[in-house]
Amino acid sequence: EVQLVQSGAEVKKAGESLKISCKGSGYSFTSYWIGWVRQMPGKGLEWMGIIYPGDSDTRYSPSFEGQVTVSADKSITTAYLQWSSLRASDTAIYYCARPEMAYKYAFDIWGQGTMVTVSS
Amino acid sequence: DIQMTQSPSTLSAVVGDRVTITCRASQSISSWLAWYQQKPGKAPKLLIYKASSLESGVPSRFSGSGSGTEFTLTISSLQPDDFAIYYCQHYNSYSHTFGQGTKLEIK
Repeated sequence: EVQLVQSGAEVKKAGESLKISCKGSGYSFTSYWIGWVRQMPGKGLEWMGIIYPGDSDTRYSPSFEGQVTVSADKSITTAYLQWSSLRASDTAIYYCARPEMAYKYAFDIWGQGTMVTVSS
Repeated sequence: DIQMTQSPSTLSAVVGDRVTITCRASQSISSWLAWYQQKPGKAPKLLIYKASSLESGVPSRFSGSGSGTEFTLTISSLQPDDFAIYYCQHYNSYSHTFGQGTKLEIK
């Protein structure tokens, strides 16, 4: 079964750093991009960035460039989303998702989401 | 940047209704348009890709159409399980832009 399994909920304080993870299984991890999508409380979906684990090619939404870091460790088929200094406005659910970019050009597999709560 | 605008923002309907949600792009995007369904507390689920292709396992009452700047998602006969939020999404040059969502609620 193709799946993405994300790390658990996090509660942090403003200014702290954080790295959340997304482990892929059931498919060739290095042959597909993985992306991150933010959903703030009660709001819609926002694409943040994607990475191709095969060569670590990374692309960011202009809205998130410089605010977060997307990375991947292909040896353990895991992608990461990282903050160096959290803000209260980073409180959201973060989904990893696999954009199938050979034919569908859509996110066909999603993780379960990681809730990040940042207190000021 | 290409903007994606969905309408309506909220749609009230009853079981059995035929409903249509529209997504408009600020410029032509060919057929690079997908539709997702999201239920409370759950991750989004891909329904339609490339404007009109049905994702495997998605009921045939869902259909998509359109090209260029105007796209529609149609549910032919609403089922209780279909009340959710629906998002369109456009892919362009490694960028993935979502519409703001349409909440389909029970009338």
